[in-house]
Amino acid sequence: QSVLTQPPSLSGAPGQRVTISCTGSTSNIGAGYDVYWYQHLPGTAPKLIIYGNSNRPLGVPERFSGSKSGTSASLAITGLQAEDEADYYCQSYESSLSGSGVFGTGTKVTVL
Amino acid sequence: QVQLVQSGAEVKKPGASVKVSCKTSGYTFTDHYVHWVRQAPGQGLEWMGWINPNNGYTNFAQKFQGWVTLTRDTSISTAYMELSSLKSDDTAVYYCARDLGYSCYGCDALDVWGQGTMVSVSS
Repeated sequence: QSVLTQPPSLSGAPGQRVTISCTGSTSNIGAGYDVYWYQHLPGTAPKLIIYGNSNRPLGVPERFSGSKSGTSASLAITGLQAEDEADYYCQSYESSLSGSGVFGTGTKVTVL
Repeated sequence: QVQLVQSGAEVKKPGASVKVSCKTSGYTFTDHYVHWVRQAPGQGLEWMGWINPNNGYTNFAQKFQGWVTLTRDTSISTAYMELSSLKSDDTAVYYCARDLGYSCYGCDALDVWGQGTMVSVSS
């Protein structure tokens, strides 16, 4: 059972902005662990799109941005494009579980 | 470039064991932890554990302690994940992934992933 909660699904028209929330607790995100975000397309490996809460790896478009505050984090996609339709997962670590990794419940983003 | 290449799909019967390999290249194997993550059909990503290739130390999610074994062979830059006493709900795609190891060892982003290995458990 995941300890990071995300909305199951979100949708938006091309060009719109969508924001995915990731709600944790004082033993994971609130304990100071960074938050990471992955984009997962069916049949492929997950792809890191945000590290260190708000940093984009080389090659990830600027329309993806991340932030963290308190026990929560969020991923914003501005200027939504058809190729952004995918599952998105947040990830962090859990101090109450000896530093075990934890993933969010996942959010399916649909481009209308 | 950095690559993680996993072994092929497996079909196993309940109670059997399976060993998945993750061959790395393009970087110094012992400089980065290797994590294992799985995704069951229709489910989300689930973190299983990591291995420190430098010394073989491991850390597991509570539910996998005692029946998942993580090992490595530094001579061929390869990590292994062995799952024992398989059940039907262990049917999943299993991924290995490299820990970025920039801000934290074993608690950083998973920056490069293997292609995944489908493990099917059925009688």
